[in-house]
Amino acid sequence: DGGITQSPKYLFRKEGQNVTLSCEQNLNHDAMYWYRQDPGQGLRLIYYSQIVNDFQKGDIAEGYSVSREKKESFPLTVTSAQKNPTAFYLCASKEGYSTDTQYFGPGTRLTVL
Amino acid sequence: AQSVTQLGSHVSVSEGALVLLRCNYSSSVPPYLFWYVQYPNQGLQLLLKYTSAATLVKGINGFEAEFKKSETSFHLTKPSAHMSDAAEYFCAVSGGRGGADGLTFGKGTHLIIQP
Repeated sequence: DGGITQSPKYLFRKEGQNVTLSCEQNLNHDAMYWYRQDPGQGLRLIYYSQIVNDFQKGDIAEGYSVSREKKESFPLTVTSAQKNPTAFYLCASKEGYSTDTQYFGPGTRLTVL
Repeated sequence: AQSVTQLGSHVSVSEGALVLLRCNYSSSVPPYLFWYVQYPNQGLQLLLKYTSAATLVKGINGFEAEFKKSETSFHLTKPSAHMSDAAEYFCAVSGGRGGADGLTFGKGTHLIIQP
């Protein structure tokens, strides 16, 4: 089945630790995205990538980093510089045009202890 | 720059009643508009999208939305609510940052269905 997978589903982190969230897609999409969701805030764009080895900052990139070494993979690292990392993180992908649908993964819930 | 405003963080309707979820947008370029639905602890699923073809867009599960440029609105409706419609609904706009741009989302509307 084609789709987007995110792992793990739940993640716990101690303050001061970096943690990496996985996102993989087998839809052969060029563009991939990371969003952060907080209650009552909607989704906010963290980073996006249009092609391999290239990515751009979204609206709330501070404290996060990404890489895009393979077309199907777009991991997100939440660094210790992110002051309030507890949130639901969603990965998405689409073919590359503005009219195309973004398809979302099931999400990772990160909790900082 | 784009923005989306969803009026009402919570909307409650009776089963069988009309569902109306409001969305207004602001965009400096011709917008593409989307409605997504999210069930608890899950990702988002596309309900429908407007891409400058017909202004009345039909989606899945009996939902539809009408694009009104003069009112900068894209309200979501369903004639008869079902218990399974209870979920969080997000309106989103695309159109900036080039072809592979991210979406700008509203804050969401939680739809409650009363039996």
